Amino acid sequence: DTAVSQTPKYLVTQMGNDKSIKCEQNLGHDTMYWYKQDSKKFLKIMFSYNNKELIINETVPNRFSPKSPDKAHLNLHINSLELGDSAVYFCASSPLAGERTDTQYFGPGTRLTVL
Amino acid sequence: GENVEQHPSTLSVQEGDSAVIKCTYSDSASNYFPWYKQELGKRPQLIIDIRSNVGEKKDQRIAVTLNKTAKHFSLHITETQPEDSAVYFCAAMIKAAGNKLTFGGGTRVLVKP
Repeated sequence: DTAVSQTPKYLVTQMGNDKSIKCEQNLGHDTMYWYKQDSKKFLKIMFSYNNKELIINETVPNRFSPKSPDKAHLNLHINSLELGDSAVYFCASSPLAGERTDTQYFGPGTRLTVL
Repeated sequence: GENVEQHPSTLSVQEGDSAVIKCTYSDSASNYFPWYKQELGKRPQLIIDIRSNVGEKKDQRIAVTLNKTAKHFSLHITETQPEDSAVYFCAAMIKAAGNKLTFGGGTRVLVKP
């Protein structure tokens, strides 16, 4: 059940700080995503990467910068954290080839609290 | 862009009864429709999905129907059990648009024993 993993699970920090969340998948998938789930549970895509190339970049403040060192990792760096950034951030991945290229598998989430 | 509406936002049912959640989508190019179940503090987990070339799909107590003309799809859970209590999300995807999933707002289902 750790096919898509994220660290840390919880992150509490002060406004203005810079923080990173890491995601790794061992499924051999080529595409990885970041989603934000707000306090009302609404899930919204932020970014997707396909084999280290940025594919989807939603209207996200440029304080958020994804980085993909290889196709098994997609990290999220956030600069100058604001109160409104408090949320649960989910990483997900999907395969590029085969029958289920559309199926996304989610990581356990990182609960970010900005004080 | 795609917009997905989900109803109801909360649903309370007696154990053993059926639960139905309905979603509508706006973009007729959408061709993949997954349903995710999210328990408290956990990750969303795929429970069933349907592609646009199919009208209905069933897996044990859960089934999904798709009406492409009306642009709506529904999740049906029969013989509900307390462990079915969770938040359920529908989603729609245009596969040619980078696998972007647009989620509905979620339905909190409570199954009362």
